[in-house]
Amino acid sequence: SQKIEQNSEALNIQEGKTATLTCNYTNYSPAYLQWYRQDPGRGPVFLLLIRENEKEKRKERLKVTFDTTLKQSLFHITASQPADSATYLCALGSTGGFKTIFGAGTRLFVKA
Amino acid sequence: DSGVTQTPKHLITATGQRVTLRCSPRSGDLSVYWYQQSLDQGLQFLIQYYNGEERAKGNILERFSAQQFPDLHSELNLSSLELGDSALYFCASSPTSGRASNGELFFGEGSRLTVL
Repeated sequence: SQKIEQNSEALNIQEGKTATLTCNYTNYSPAYLQWYRQDPGRGPVFLLLIRENEKEKRKERLKVTFDTTLKQSLFHITASQPADSATYLCALGSTGGFKTIFGAGTRLFVKA
Repeated sequence: DSGVTQTPKHLITATGQRVTLRCSPRSGDLSVYWYQQSLDQGLQFLIQYYNGEERAKGNILERFSAQQFPDLHSELNLSSLELGDSALYFCASSPTSGRASNGELFFGEGSRLTVL
């Protein structure tokens, strides 16, 4: 069955450093991959989308890479700030289907 | 504010009961998605509707059902509730059926269901 894996352990980093989160998937050929941010008790908020034919996408301090051979995406937050502390969710979508499936998320803590 | 409205925000009920969760998508969005998020669990896709028709189904239990009305709002009905149904239920909307140039989902703030 389709599976998305994200680091279940929380990631703790110091303010100003780069946070790198990993998303791996199996049994899936996504047309695109998305990253969302979720704060406790709130709905997820869309951050970035990268398509299967793209290798890298940037938006301000965020960078996403997508390797369809390795079936992996890396999500980077540069110059991290305490306000970046949240859970980050990876999601996959396909053009053939209509559902977007999510990983369990990785909790990020940025210490001042 | 995503523009997606979910009601009620909180709901406490007993096992065996039935509840209805409501979702109003962003203005103009034709697709509505329902997700379940249990404690420390990821978002589990339940079902998707597009312009009133069911488009995709995930791990939705037979005790659960949903529909999307002509005004595009959607309802998720949960019946014969069990303790394990306690979770956050999120609704999301998007402009198209899934082939949007962005594919971005806009989430509501969720309905927290507690089954005692």
